[in-house]
Amino acid sequence: SQQGEEDPQALSIQEGENATMNCSYKTSINNLQWYRQNSGRGLVHLILIRSNEREKHSGRLRVTLDTSKKSSSLLITASRAADTASYFCATPRTQGGSEKLVFGKGMKLTVNP
Amino acid sequence: ETGVTQSPTHLIKTRGQQVTLRCSSQSGHNTVSWYQQALGQGPQFIFQYYREEENGRGNFPPRFSGLQFPNYSSELNVNALELDDSALYLCASSWGFASYEQYFGPGTRLTVT
Repeated sequence: SQQGEEDPQALSIQEGENATMNCSYKTSINNLQWYRQNSGRGLVHLILIRSNEREKHSGRLRVTLDTSKKSSSLLITASRAADTASYFCATPRTQGGSEKLVFGKGMKLTVNP
Repeated sequence: ETGVTQSPTHLIKTRGQQVTLRCSSQSGHNTVSWYQQALGQGPQFIFQYYREEENGRGNFPPRFSGLQFPNYSSELNVNALELDDSALYLCASSWGFASYEQYFGPGTRLTVT
């Protein structure tokens, strides 16, 4: 089952513009993570925000978390063509003895040169 | 790039056949998780192996099985392949089963015809 849901599902912007993508989730979490995936290949971990944090920065990335609304946003500033990829939010959930990641369906970002 | 490798990169099988996918975890990691990613979807948790034992399983039938070896590399086996098994299969390794430590490999794309 999908936990998070990214919005919009696809976004096309020009290089240099900012890109914002949103994620909503359903259950209580202790952290939320954002991943990037290039051309259907492996996932690259971008940033993790804990439930007691409201905002976090990493380079050109800014993530916010609103646990009261069960939502998060990822902002990529000054986008580059190399940022073209699919972006996923993911939340951990305990299942049996393991902690699995539950991913949203993803958002496809296209940055045009 | 992470130190997680997967083989093969691509695979084409016929319905009803069996397939084995392989994953070498990052050095020092003792846990491997497997995910299935259908086209246009987010990854879905199949199962996790910790110290050679299955440590949690998602909603996948028993024809999906796995192994973890003493060097912590892992195999995913799928019997009686169905068309819907066509997907990208991702493995992720970690030290322990905390999800925020997971490092993903590049994936194996399986096509069932």
